Amino acid sequence: DTGVSQNPRHKITKRGQNVTFRCDPISEHNRLYWYRQTLGQGPEFLTYFQNEAQLEKSRLLSDRFSAERPKGSFSTLEIQRTEQGDSAMYLCASSPTDRGDTGELFFGEGSRLTVL
Amino acid sequence: SQKIEQNSEALNIQEGKTATLTCNYTNYSPAYLQWYRQDPGRGPVFLLLIRENEKEKRKERLKVTFDTTLKQSLFHITASQPADSATYLCALVGGGNKLTFGTGTQLKVEL
Repeated sequence: DTGVSQNPRHKITKRGQNVTFRCDPISEHNRLYWYRQTLGQGPEFLTYFQNEAQLEKSRLLSDRFSAERPKGSFSTLEIQRTEQGDSAMYLCASSPTDRGDTGELFFGEGSRLTVL
Repeated sequence: SQKIEQNSEALNIQEGKTATLTCNYTNYSPAYLQWYRQDPGRGPVFLLLIRENEKEKRKERLKVTFDTTLKQSLFHITASQPADSATYLCALVGGGNKLTFGTGTQLKVEL
């Protein structure tokens, strides 16, 4: 399978714990995006990378959130000191830059976080 | 503030009928608009893209229109089937191919 892969698919944690999600994009895709989706809402943009450079971060991404893409391949999203309001589906997507700004995003299946 | 609105209530239609979903936006001037399908517990899947200079785009049983004066896109599924039941998301394309999504409309196609 050469699609976008996310791990873990489900994570249950207690408030105050740290969690980390991993995303493996489609191999030839330069751009990688993180979105968050809560029940009944559309995905909300968090941040995106072009290769290893983090080009934009949403105001939604508080200081407790950090994302990295150290070698321009896989990416991690870490949430420190989790709060119940962090419970959501975290979606990763990738796209190739050769399609400019019009190309589709390829989404993974998401990592669902539940904070107790 | 910028806002993208989709029908918040689920749309129930009979098999074989045409489903029409609406996406309205304010305080945007997008050059492109995309539609995605999302099944429960899954990531969104791209369906169609339409450019601001295109009035209509078709793909098999799908048709999308884009009216930049009305600030509205309509998404049609003709000859709908139960397998078309899903949530449909519209998304406006910004710089860096960053997408801003609407809330989505849930479609249920009944036998």
